Amino acid sequence: AQSVTQLDSHVSVSEGTPVLLRCNYSSSYSPSLFWYVQHPNKGLQLLLKYTSAATLVKGINGFEAEFKKSETSFHLTKPSAHMSDAAEYFCVVSDDEKLTFGTGTRLTIIP
Amino acid sequence: DTGVSQNPRHKITKRGQNVTFRCDPISEHNRLYWYRQTLGQGPEFLTYFQNEAQLEKSRLLSDRFSAERPKGSFSTLEIQRTEQGDSAMYLCASSPLDRFNEKLFFGSGTQLSVL
Repeated sequence: AQSVTQLDSHVSVSEGTPVLLRCNYSSSYSPSLFWYVQHPNKGLQLLLKYTSAATLVKGINGFEAEFKKSETSFHLTKPSAHMSDAAEYFCVVSDDEKLTFGTGTRLTIIP
Repeated sequence: DTGVSQNPRHKITKRGQNVTFRCDPISEHNRLYWYRQTLGQGPEFLTYFQNEAQLEKSRLLSDRFSAERPKGSFSTLEIQRTEQGDSAMYLCASSPLDRFNEKLFFGSGTQLSVL
């Protein structure tokens, strides 16, 4: 069975400082991993995906994630937070026909 | 590409009533998914269709829930005899058949409140 654990339910950072959202996964197979973002009253949007190519994945809006098989981790980072980054972020794993979401991390940006 | 459309955006109903939600996927997308999201949780898979065929249903989908996609285009999700525990955001997503995981587009959801 596949699952993801998001280690922080809430992260607060100051504008212009780095962002780190942590995710660990469990999967029986070589998984596909994703990060999705959900802004209030908007649909889920794909930030980036890992599908067994390069371990460092670049996404939209300056976000990156690094796949580390030895640590079963897929942490999301951004060098400099912007106010518009405030949202709910979901780490997602897929090794079959559907996606399994984590419980989410709410990112707050302090002006 | 007008995106995935869900209606209604909000639905308030009394316990025991039936409700139906509609999802219009991106045109020509073969796959259509339903997810449910409760407060403070990530979305949970309910069911998915490939064209008009319903290929998988989650154990979360009790016999009070039924989903259809009669012509392989729009889909409906019906909940009979609603319970307060059914209160949640119901999300629809669609994708083309190839590389479906990489091209999954979500709608804004239908928020159901059961009083």
